[in-house]
This record gives sequence, structure tokens and C-alpha cells, in this order.
Amino acid sequence: RKEVEQDPGPFNVPEGATVAFNCTYSNSASQSFFWYRQDCRKEPKLLMSVYSSGNEDGRFTAQLNRASQYISLLIRDSKLSDSATYLCALVIKAAGNKLTFGGGTRVLVKP
Amino acid sequence: ETGVTQSPTHLIKTRGQQVTLRCSSQSGHNTVSWYQQALGQGPQFIFQYYREEENGRGNFPPRFSGLQFPNYSSELNVNALELDDSALYLCASRSRAAQETQYFGPGTRLLVL
Repeated sequence: RKEVEQDPGPFNVPEGATVAFNCTYSNSASQSFFWYRQDCRKEPKLLMSVYSSGNEDGRFTAQLNRASQYISLLIRDSKLSDSATYLCALVIKAAGNKLTFGGGTRVLVKP
Repeated sequence: ETGVTQSPTHLIKTRGQQVTLRCSSQSGHNTVSWYQQALGQGPQFIFQYYREEENGRGNFPPRFSGLQFPNYSSELNVNALELDDSALYLCASRSRAAQETQYFGPGTRLLVL
């Protein structure tokens, strides 16, 4: 079983709609969680950290469910510019703060 | 922009050759990590350097090696290139004060023929 798993998509989303997707992890010792956005042929860019209480940044909301070992990302009022691959990542401090990534979820926002 | 730079941006090599990729970390960042991202996959951790010492390594063979210099810049060396080494190689830096927040450079796209 992979350490971090994501639905590869693509999620085809009408402009203005809401889309949500999850990322599951297998190691209960995972301590920190992140969502990165990656545009085609570019580097990953940190979108947001994911806190235990959940957090929101504009149209983006991230949630963490430790009991079921998954994190989620919700995008409201999708824009064409939200089209990208969304990578979840986690850190296990005992493993030296390396980021372990999922394979990414591709989101395509269409007019 | 993250302030992390990498060179070269693109590279074509043939099987069996050796390659050196370079990374300059963001000012004040003393920890550098390298990742390999194959097409359609997430980045995979290769290793990281702190104070010029390797202090963490992923599941990569010894032909993947690295260096960190006193100015915190870093090199990734890959010997005996294989076709499967074709990937985007990403460098990420972070500061001691914010250990969990890593900033990626634009990457080097390596094609092995």
C-alpha cells in the first residue's frame, strides 16, 4: 500500500462550481500535512498547510481527519486558473522532515 | 518566486553517462532536499543535506549522490544514467526556523536516451 494515495482524476469542474477531493495516508505517525499546487511542467507550490481544526484560505478549505487518516481540499467558486494538479504531502518528523507526496489529483475547470 | 534556483533547466544525456544538477537555496535556508518526479507521479524524496552533511535518504541507489557547500547551495550527481532516471529533479530549501515549510526551485528536466 502506498504511503499517500490520491485519486488521479481528472476532475472536470464547471467554472463557478465546487470541487472536493481527498488524500489518504497510511502512517498514523504523520504529523504535518500540506496541499501543493503544480501547474503543467512547473514546480510544486505550497497552497496551504492543513491544521487539525481545519483551515480556510479564500476559496480553499482544507480538513484533516486523523481517525480515518485522510485530508481533504475543497475549492469553492472554481476559476479557470484553478486548473492544475493538486499534490498532498505529509511529514513524519521522526523520518527527518522529508515530504512524502501523493501522486496528485488533476483538476480541470471548464467554462 | 521562492528564491530557489536550479541549473540547468533542461538536459539530455545518454544511458551510462553522468550528470550534475545544481541548486541555490533561498537566502537563510540551510537545509536542501532533492526530489525526483517522474511523469504523472508525485515527487519522490532522494536525500537532504544540512550543514554540508547528508542527513536523510530515500530509496535511491548509491549512484545518486550529492554535496552541499558552505553557502548552502547543493549538487545532485547521478552516475551510470538509466532510462528510468528521466524525470524532473526538484530542489527544495527550508530554514531551521521553519523546518516543515519547503520551497521548491523550478526543477531540472532530465531526459536519458
